[in-house]
Amino acid sequence: DTAVSQTPKYLVTQMGNDKSIKCEQNLGHDTMYWYKQDSKKFLKIMFSYNNKELIINETVPNRFSPKSPDKAHLNLHINSLELGDSAVYFCASSQAMTGTETQYFGPGTRLLVL
Amino acid sequence: GNSVTQMEGPVTLSEEAFLTINCTYTATGYPSLFWYVQYPGEGLQLLLKATKADDKGSNKGFEATYRKETTSFHLEKGSVQVSDSAVYFCALSERSGGGADGLTFGKGTHLIIQP
Repeated sequence: DTAVSQTPKYLVTQMGNDKSIKCEQNLGHDTMYWYKQDSKKFLKIMFSYNNKELIINETVPNRFSPKSPDKAHLNLHINSLELGDSAVYFCASSQAMTGTETQYFGPGTRLLVL
Repeated sequence: GNSVTQMEGPVTLSEEAFLTINCTYTATGYPSLFWYVQYPGEGLQLLLKATKADDKGSNKGFEATYRKETTSFHLEKGSVQVSDSAVYFCALSERSGGGADGLTFGKGTHLIIQP
């Protein structure tokens, strides 16, 4: 069973388009996250979310918006895609948000903006 | 703010060699510390973690000890295998912030083990 899954695995699109990446976890976790990994492999948190609050990294452009239809899903919507958005996006989840839990990562979505 | 510094590599070793990957951190509060591993084309997997000072995390022959006095969490393995070739990330999570800031990662160390 896949614990954290993401679709699609690869996404190639044109500048200016709007796209979504889906994330689902079957671990029963309360908290989900989105991370961005750039071309140099550097990982940075974009969002943290549980059923009570959304925490947004202040450096994330407002073209990016997370949407959670239920506790098991946290989708990432990106409007007006730019070349600099090309990266690998990872979804993760954890049992809670106290800072000591293990985060479980999805396989990543490789986004290429042309 | 919080930060994690680790050697970037690539680090190239022969099979059965001893491995050390250094990791030091800066945190405003009392962090939990993690090592994650990323194999080619895959997501990140937890390798080990420690949540308080002097704790030792261990898994698959890898070890790291939370050293508050030196703000370090160095990763070690006594005898590496070709299958250990991957990118290793040191990370911290700030408990005082409720973990809402997610993990702060180092830049990753690319480890290459040659037969």
